[in-house]
Amino acid sequence: SAVISQKPSRDICQRGTSLTIQCQVDSQVTMMFWYRQQPGQSLTLIATANQGSEATYESGFVIDKFPISRPNLTFSTLTVSNMSPEDSSIYLCSVEGTADNYGYTFGSGTRLTVV
Amino acid sequence: GQQLNQSPQSMFIQEGEDVSMNCTSSSIFNTWLWYKQDPGEGPVLLIALYKAGELTSNGRLTAQFGITRKDSFLNISASIPSDVGIYFCAGPDAGGTSYGKLTFGQGTILTVHP
Repeated sequence: SAVISQKPSRDICQRGTSLTIQCQVDSQVTMMFWYRQQPGQSLTLIATANQGSEATYESGFVIDKFPISRPNLTFSTLTVSNMSPEDSSIYLCSVEGTADNYGYTFGSGTRLTVV
Repeated sequence: GQQLNQSPQSMFIQEGEDVSMNCTSSSIFNTWLWYKQDPGEGPVLLIALYKAGELTSNGRLTAQFGITRKDSFLNISASIPSDVGIYFCAGPDAGGTSYGKLTFGQGTILTVHP
């Protein structure tokens, strides 16, 4: 399965600022996914990032708050904009699988604390 | 959207005991996945189930895909301290073409006392 490198692993940010999280995959994938895991909670999909097109956002998530880039088939970034303490979460990227092997690989996550 | 109900929320067991957790859904899933998440890490896939009725083992772990396709369980036998973590069930978005867009259960926090 794919190997995902995600950085930063953690950060403490001031409210009102923005943080960009990077996700690098060791193989080419068509779709990458960004999830949020709020403290003590499960994972919730933020958006699907396709190379060459705009990201598709899930209900409750908007592009102005979570802009995503997908410049090539091995890389994506998620920006958390104009942060507030409520944005304190773990953000994880994941890659698509196939019909025979869903892949299901996750990065190690970025633990964000907004103060 | 689809929802997965996972239980129990948490378990406190003695080393050597067996563990069982389950996941149910009001809608059909074509695939069931079980993940484990260690502190500070992303979820790691333990077992993937692709067929209704399928029973799959991975070492001390056994998982089954319910025949109704609306439930799954995960068993851990002879638990050890390193089994501590959060266990999630998950399933891919039904009807979609994406194989990575997952719905997650709420998680089961497992604590193993030596």
